[in-house]
Amino acid sequence: KAGVTQTPRYLIKTRGQQVTLSCSPISGHRSVSWYQQTPGQGLQFLFEYFSETQRNKGNFPGRFSGRQFSNSRSEMNVSTLELGDSALYLCASSLTWRTEAFFGQGTRLTVV
Amino acid sequence: AQSVSQHNHHVILSEAASLELGCNYSYGGTVNLFWYVQYPGQHLQLLLKYFSGDPLVKGIKGFEAEFIKSKFSFNLRKPSVQWSDTAEYFCAVTRGGNNDMRFGAGTRLTVKP
Repeated sequence: KAGVTQTPRYLIKTRGQQVTLSCSPISGHRSVSWYQQTPGQGLQFLFEYFSETQRNKGNFPGRFSGRQFSNSRSEMNVSTLELGDSALYLCASSLTWRTEAFFGQGTRLTVV
Repeated sequence: AQSVSQHNHHVILSEAASLELGCNYSYGGTVNLFWYVQYPGQHLQLLLKYFSGDPLVKGIKGFEAEFIKSKFSFNLRKPSVQWSDTAEYFCAVTRGGNNDMRFGAGTRLTVKP
């Protein structure tokens, strides 16, 4: 069974640009969550999608957005990139709510 | 503010020593509790989880954790660590029927051979 797949693995962007990250969940999983991991702030919840609807959102500015498609694949977008957005972005998928989450390898975003 | 606290930032042990990593949370109501491990260069992997039932939970690789509701704690234990347990360990909490996982800051475990 394939795990959670995130693409791309690495990205370098310039301040002010926007970026789109992609996540393919485990087959059959309907919940996809996104997290930001940095050395200073640790792992922080961004948002969760279930059946194409955003169920929860963390405390991030509106520059961070996401969506989920009918096949449960999800994308997150960050507009007007700032240096502080440099981080490892992790996607996790779950069968439904109140079940364990499986994490992908992450996308390492560097903003220069 | 509601949070998840891991008491130890970095723990150094010798092989065969016993391990206990502390985790406390401050959320009320129904919580679901998790311990994840991140080996160097690898993705987060689930060690064990608690949703309900027996508060003593056994996970993979000989790890176990005990949920003590009155203390808002979910400490991770292993009787005898191995060099291969060197990794970063994260405690995490979800509330009720939500999947938004709140993580502790992590504890880096170094096991000396």
